[in-house]
Amino acid sequence: GEDVEQSLFLSVREGDSSVINCTYTDSSSTYLYWYKQEPGAGLQLLTYIFSNMDMKQDQRLTVLLNKKDKHLSLRIADTQTGDSAIYFCAESGDSGYALNFGKGTSLLVTP
Amino acid sequence: SAVISQKPSRDICQRGTSLTIQCQVDSQVTMMFWYRQQPGQSLTLIATANQGSEATYESGFVIDKFPISRPNLTFSTLTVSNMSPEDSSIYLCSAEAGGGGELFFGEGSRLTVL
Repeated sequence: GEDVEQSLFLSVREGDSSVINCTYTDSSSTYLYWYKQEPGAGLQLLTYIFSNMDMKQDQRLTVLLNKKDKHLSLRIADTQTGDSAIYFCAESGDSGYALNFGKGTSLLVTP
Repeated sequence: SAVISQKPSRDICQRGTSLTIQCQVDSQVTMMFWYRQQPGQSLTLIATANQGSEATYESGFVIDKFPISRPNLTFSTLTVSNMSPEDSSIYLCSAEAGGGGELFFGEGSRLTVL
């Protein structure tokens, strides 16, 4: 399948902004997603962006998409300790549905 | 949004046995999927559960090992057959809801095979 790459680990201090980056290779991706997985839990859909958009903002979350470079980022403003989790980037390919996931970025927020 | 319930949430199974995982969605959905998340790994799509027809399996997954049912638009099951310790994983059900590309996941079923 197509590759989705993420950095594996990010540590930030509480109150700072976090930026999690993702690159993908499938240029036919229709949607790109960010999911959050807390320890022992399932995946929570945080946000997603349609491929013809370059930015989407939802409260503390900002998603930026650079389609030319196939680069997606998730910015979390005012990061809290409750934001500590694994964040998965995923892309839909041209099907629009079945997803191809990255390996996840483990975000640690320290007081 | 869609609420997706899976059961069992976790189980410990003996080698050679089979286990069926159930997935219930709180609304009618067209697309349902089953994923596997092996320990410390990302998610891998097993198959698309098609209502009224056979599931569509991804490379590396076969119907004999992972039979899937989809009797209606709100329910699906995944069976993990003849389990071995390598099948120890979290199995997640997913559904597309909302018509705008939103894909939701259940809480997962954590299987440990001894």
